[in-house]
Order: sequence, then C-alpha cells, then structure tokens
Amino acid sequence: DTGVSQNPRHKITKRGQNVTFRCDPISEHNRLYWYRQTLGQGPEFLTYFQNEAQLEKSRLLSDRFSAERPKGSFSTLEIQRTEQGDSAMYLCASSSRTGTDTQYFGPGTRLTVL
Amino acid sequence: GNSVTQMEGPVTLSEEAFLTINCTYTATGYPSLFWYVQYPGEGLQLLLKATKADDKGSNKGFEATYRKETTSFHLEKGSVQVSDSAVYFCALTDTNAGGTSYGKLTFGQGTILTVHP
Repeated sequence: DTGVSQNPRHKITKRGQNVTFRCDPISEHNRLYWYRQTLGQGPEFLTYFQNEAQLEKSRLLSDRFSAERPKGSFSTLEIQRTEQGDSAMYLCASSSRTGTDTQYFGPGTRLTVL
Repeated sequence: GNSVTQMEGPVTLSEEAFLTINCTYTATGYPSLFWYVQYPGEGLQLLLKATKADDKGSNKGFEATYRKETTSFHLEKGSVQVSDSAVYFCALTDTNAGGTSYGKLTFGQGTILTVHP
C-alpha cells in the first residue's frame, strides 16, 4: 500500500491554458474523490467516482472542469481555459466501499494561474 | 445541507497545555465524524473518527466524543507538544442506517494550532 499519489505536485500556467492533473488511488479502493482547497479554507468537494462511474458532481464543478476515471483505476481532472480563480490546491482521496469508507488523501496538486 | 463549524483560530499554546478545539455540525441522516490534521508541507491525514452517537475516537493522545444531543465533536488533548503544531479540520460524511459511511466529506474551515516550547 503506497498511498494515494498525485501528479504533478505543482503546476503554474497562464490564464486561458488547459491543465490536467492525475490521481492514482490506493490499489483496490473503488471510490475516488476530488476536492479543492483554497488558502485558509477547508477542502470543498468537487466530484466522486465509484469504480468508473461518476456518481456526484458539485455545483463548483463548472463546465470548464471535467473528470474521468477510465477502467476504475487512476483519475484525471482537466480544467479548460483556466482562470485566476482556479488557483488552489486540488486534492484527491480514495476509499474502500467496505468498512467505514475512510478517505485517504494524496499530497495534492497546487495550481497557480498567472 | 450538511455543514461543519469550527472554533475560529489561530490557537497558540505552550507545550504541555490542555487543548480543546470546538466543532459543531448540522447534518441529515446518520453522519460519521472525523478529525483530519495537516502538518506543514504535508497532506491531510486522518487523526480520529467516530461513526455513531457516544462513540469516542482517539489517536496520538487526541480524543473526541460524538455528542448527538449537542451536535458536537470537540477535539481534546491533555498535554500538547510542539510537534502537534498543524491545521486541524473537523469533517463529516453521511452514513446509511447500516452504519456504512458514504459520499463526500464536508469540512470545517480549519483551526491553526501553534505550540511553543
């Protein structure tokens, strides 16, 4: 069990560019979550997958955001036409459907939009 | 909808002092309650959890009791150390009647704790 990994750890981009982040969950965890955390705030839920199915999306997830989890393994979060307000830490978490569904977090990807 | 309110920080204590960080919640259904900790430069880590009323979660000397009557889950530690300096987040997730939690976490805004020698 190597934990949840996220890549890249840091991303600096110019406004209007597209960015994609990757999350690799703990192996055999069938649930995967994306959150966004801005400075001084708690994480806010973005979206949630069970296996490859995207089961819930927050209203924070505008049409510029898209997430996928092909084959129920890793997941990608893409932001199109980035805006300065997208600057934040993007966190991924995974959990197992059995038991108490405790979510384990990755280190996050810090996005800076110039 | 669900919500979590934490006491405003930051909190500054001397080593070996008693710590309390207040957390109250609003939720439908049967929430599970969590405390997560974020050490400087690190990711969120689960500190402790409680899945039903009157349960006490504990870890690393920290404790929190699920109080349904007051909708609270206050974090306590009897003697803090410099190494406890971090940001602490209270959170909840819905749980079905069978006791399995599911779905998204709802977090409080976080409380910064600084412990001085």
